[in-house]
Amino acid sequence: AQSVTQLDSQVPVFEEAPVELRCNYSSSVSVYLFWYVQYPNQGLQLLLKYLSGSTLVKGINGFEAEFNKSQTSFHLRKPSVHISDTAEYFCAVSALYNFNKFYFGSGTKLNVKP
Amino acid sequence: NAGVTQTPKFQVLKTGQSMTLQCAQDMNHNSMYWYRQDPGMGLRLIYYSASEGTTDKGEVPNGYNVSRLNKREFSLRLESAAPSQTSVYFCASRADNTGELFFGEGSRLTVL
Repeated sequence: AQSVTQLDSQVPVFEEAPVELRCNYSSSVSVYLFWYVQYPNQGLQLLLKYLSGSTLVKGINGFEAEFNKSQTSFHLRKPSVHISDTAEYFCAVSALYNFNKFYFGSGTKLNVKP
Repeated sequence: NAGVTQTPKFQVLKTGQSMTLQCAQDMNHNSMYWYRQDPGMGLRLIYYSASEGTTDKGEVPNGYNVSRLNKREFSLRLESAAPSQTSVYFCASRADNTGELFFGEGSRLTVL
């Protein structure tokens, strides 16, 4: 089975500052990795995904993440955040060739302050 | 572009009552899912359906039943609601090639 750990439940940051949201996963098989964002009172939407290839993945809204297999991490980064980035961010993992088992982390609430 | 549509968006039940959450997707996806979201616990999979006519249990299936009515629709039923089932429920469907999940807007259920 797979599992995901998001190390920070809340991250406060000032507008235009850089941010990193941490995600570590555990799996005995190769995995696919995802970051989703949830704005208040909405469903989740995909920010970016790693399926294969380059370990640096770029997503929407200026976010990027780097897959590090040796450290089993998939941290999300943005060089300069905006107020509109205030949301909850979820890291998720699924086993290669078994998309039906998605495992989500507990989420990180990003609070961007003016 | 409807995507994934869930109904109802809000519901209040008394303990022991039953109800069904409806979900439909218009993206021709084979796989559909029901998750519940509780504070600090992320999303937990209740049931999923890999294709029309099949359903399987996820992490937290107790107290729930599902029906994959056809390729578009996947419903979640609570036969006898309990306060522990107070949660926000999300339906999702999955793109076959990329694995991306598409979520509905959620159904907020309160059981008194």
